[in-house]
Amino acid sequence: AQSVTQLDSHVSVSEGTPVLLRCNYSSSYSPSLFWYVQHPNKGLQLLLKYTSAATLVKGINGFEAEFKKSETSFHLTKPSAHMSDAAEYFCVVTRMDSSYKLIFGSGTRLLVRP
Amino acid sequence: EAQVTQNPRYLITVTGKKLTVTCSQNMNHEYMSWYRQDPGLGLRQIYYSMNVEVTDKGDVPEGYKVSRKEKRNFPLILESPSPNQTSLYFCASSLTSGRVHEQYFGPGTRLTVT
Repeated sequence: AQSVTQLDSHVSVSEGTPVLLRCNYSSSYSPSLFWYVQHPNKGLQLLLKYTSAATLVKGINGFEAEFKKSETSFHLTKPSAHMSDAAEYFCVVTRMDSSYKLIFGSGTRLLVRP
Repeated sequence: EAQVTQNPRYLITVTGKKLTVTCSQNMNHEYMSWYRQDPGLGLRQIYYSMNVEVTDKGDVPEGYKVSRKEKRNFPLILESPSPNQTSLYFCASSLTSGRVHEQYFGPGTRLTVT
């Protein structure tokens, strides 16, 4: 069965330090992959998407993610955290039977300390 | 501004009292979907629609109805709400052209059924 695993439920960093949010997926095919961010009391906003055009994907607000097929990973990074990055982040993959059906990871809550 | 809107944003109701949560998008998207988000369970799909008059069940459709009479609107209907439908609900939409179909989410509706 397909699945998405976000390896950390909470990540805490200091402002100005790098961010790494980890995501692994299991799939027998090449899915589309996304990272979404959810700020408190807000909807989900698309950060970036992997479309197979390039393994390193750049998104909004300085985030990027690298697709590693051999490791079935799609980790999200940012060189320098900002207080406004504090939010919940979801790694999402498409299901094999439909590119419209999504499998969500359980989420990683990012805390940014001043 | 391109967006998905939902109304109401917050709703408290009693068991058995029919309610409708509206969803509207201004991006001319063919695909629309409803999700519910519950702690520890992530986001789960309730119903989706590939186009006007075309709807189908997601993973957790019991107790919900939808309709798609116009392309921009996709209301979610709870004919007899129960406390286990207390949740945070999100509407989303996407294009159907192209290979990758990123979904755009509304701000969410927090429903409490007592």
